Amino acid sequence: NAGVTQTPKFQVLKTGQSMTLQCAQDMNHNSMYWYRQDPGMGLRLIYYSASEGTTDKGEVPNGYNVSRLNKREFSLRLESAAPSQTSVYFCASSELAGTGALNTEAFFGQGTRLTVV
Amino acid sequence: GNSVTQMEGPVTLSEEAFLTINCTYTATGYPSLFWYVQYPGEGLQLLLKATKADDKGSNKGFEATYRKETTSFHLEKGSVQVSDSAVYFCALSGSSRGNKLVFGAGTILRVKS
Repeated sequence: NAGVTQTPKFQVLKTGQSMTLQCAQDMNHNSMYWYRQDPGMGLRLIYYSASEGTTDKGEVPNGYNVSRLNKREFSLRLESAAPSQTSVYFCASSELAGTGALNTEAFFGQGTRLTVV
Repeated sequence: GNSVTQMEGPVTLSEEAFLTINCTYTATGYPSLFWYVQYPGEGLQLLLKATKADDKGSNKGFEATYRKETTSFHLEKGSVQVSDSAVYFCALSGSSRGNKLVFGAGTILRVKS
């Protein structure tokens, strides 16, 4: 079972370059998330998509855009990378909360380690 | 809004010691509660969960009980091993439609042999 697949696993960008992080899940989940994880900061939510066709900002959305391409895929774009965006990025998916589903835990990808120089 | 507060780390224990990592939450309704674990260099994986009050989640010797009266979901293990060294995250999933997952800040656990 693939679960949640993120690409790439590692990336080095120069300041001002753009890139898109890809995420796909094969569990037919409605909700998808993008987090960043910095040392000592835990997980911070960048954007999430509760269901196909909707996206909402999280705690730290500045400098990022997202696209929910279809139910399976949720991409994160950095339009003009900055050193402050050096981080490990995680994509996750889950069932939609509040619909009676008991299994609303999130499943995570392996992460993308991004360095902006 | 919903929130999760967990004890700050790092927590350093000797092998076979008893572990408690505290977690309290604020939420309306009846959220589901989770503990996730992140081993070095890996993504997060679900350790255990509880979906209603008084439920006890358990896995790999870890346990946590959903206490609605104290809004808590403390993680415990009777005898830790070096291989338990990781970061542990408490999280909740709200009961309103579309509620996003909310995570605590994470607690680093270091177990010495």
